[in-house]
Parts: sequence; structure tokens; C-alpha cells
Amino acid sequence: AQTVTQSQPEMSVQEAETVTLSCTYDTSESDYYLFWYKQPPSRQMILVIRQEAYKQQNATENRFSVNFQKAAKSFSLKISDSQLGDAAMYFCAYRTRDDKIIFGKGTRLHILP
Amino acid sequence: DGGITQSPKYLFRKEGQNVTLSCEQNLNHDAMYWYRQDPGQGLRLIYYSQIVNDFQKGDIAEGYSVSREKKESFPLTVTSAQKNPTAFYLCASNILGRPTWPQHFGDGTRLSIL
Repeated sequence: AQTVTQSQPEMSVQEAETVTLSCTYDTSESDYYLFWYKQPPSRQMILVIRQEAYKQQNATENRFSVNFQKAAKSFSLKISDSQLGDAAMYFCAYRTRDDKIIFGKGTRLHILP
Repeated sequence: DGGITQSPKYLFRKEGQNVTLSCEQNLNHDAMYWYRQDPGQGLRLIYYSQIVNDFQKGDIAEGYSVSREKKESFPLTVTSAQKNPTAFYLCASNILGRPTWPQHFGDGTRLSIL
């Protein structure tokens, strides 16, 4: 069965600095899809970025980018120029072939002014 | 605007009582899901349904039941058999066969024990 591990329960970063959130996963599938979701204090789940495993190029969305290392089964999220609005819980997620999504336990990100 | 509506936002359960959480979507999505969120646990899958009148158990289905009589509706019943129901419950949906498309989520229901 697939698993998703986020090893950092909490992290802090100074405003305007860069921070990287770690995520590793375990799977025997060769083709799959990975996501990062953000959950601010409002508890709404917001898609941050997605990555298709067959694409070698790392996905980028404005200040958010990933470092996807397929062989190492690693999918880290880098947030550049951190802003106060980035403070949230971040979940790494893996989409299975039968359309289930497996979430990691999350990393709570604090932004220090 | 299309989206997922969960109701109520807050719900209280008495001992021995069954309660039902509502989830409605107007996105014409095939699949719908229920997750439970506890502090430090992430989102855990309770039940999911990919077609009307069919559903599958997720990782923590004990003490819960669902129905899918209409494509747009997927209510979750928390039964008295669920001994620790206090949690935040999220409903989600997505299109099948579009794996890069993200799941859409409702705003959640917080369930507490009286």
C-alpha cells in the first residue's frame, strides 16, 4: 500500500525568506500524481501545486516549486519570498490508480514577521 | 459558482445518537469522498463512492455509514458505534479519469460530543 510521510510536524521561517517542506512516499506504481495542499486557519483545502510522475521537469507555480526526485521517492515543496499569508498547514498527497488520495500528516508552517 | 456544500458547519452529538453530515456538489463530479481530520493525523479516508448506488470503505470506516442515491449527494452518518466521533469532517469530490485534476473540498463540519 502507498504511504506518504511528512517528517516535519512544524516549521518556522522569517518573512521574505525561503523554506522547504519535505515529503517522501512509498509506492510500487510507476505512474502516479503528487500534490501539495494548503490548509489555512479557515480549514479550507487549497491546491498549491501538482506533479505528474512521468514528467521529469519540476512543477512551479509562482513562488511555489517542487523538487521531485522519483528514484528517491521524494517530493519537497519550496516556498520562496515567504509571506504572512503562507502560514498554514501543508499536506503532501499521492493519488492512486483507483482515484484515492493518500495524505501525509501535514506540516504546520509559521511565518515570523 | 460550482462547489461543494457541507452542512451543518458545527454539530453536536449526544451519547447513543446517530447524526448525519450533509455533502452536496454541483460540479457534476463522479467521485465523492469523506475524510476525518484529527490533530496530528492528517486526513484519513472514511468512505468513497465513484458511482451512484455504490461505495467503498476507506481506512477508518467502522462506526460510519454512507449512501449515494444521487450523483450530487453523499451524506455521512456517524453512528453510536463510533466511540470517538469528535473531529473535523471534510467532504471532497473529483472527476474520474483526470488524475492531474485536484480534488475539490467542502468547508467542513466540526462534530463534537455533548
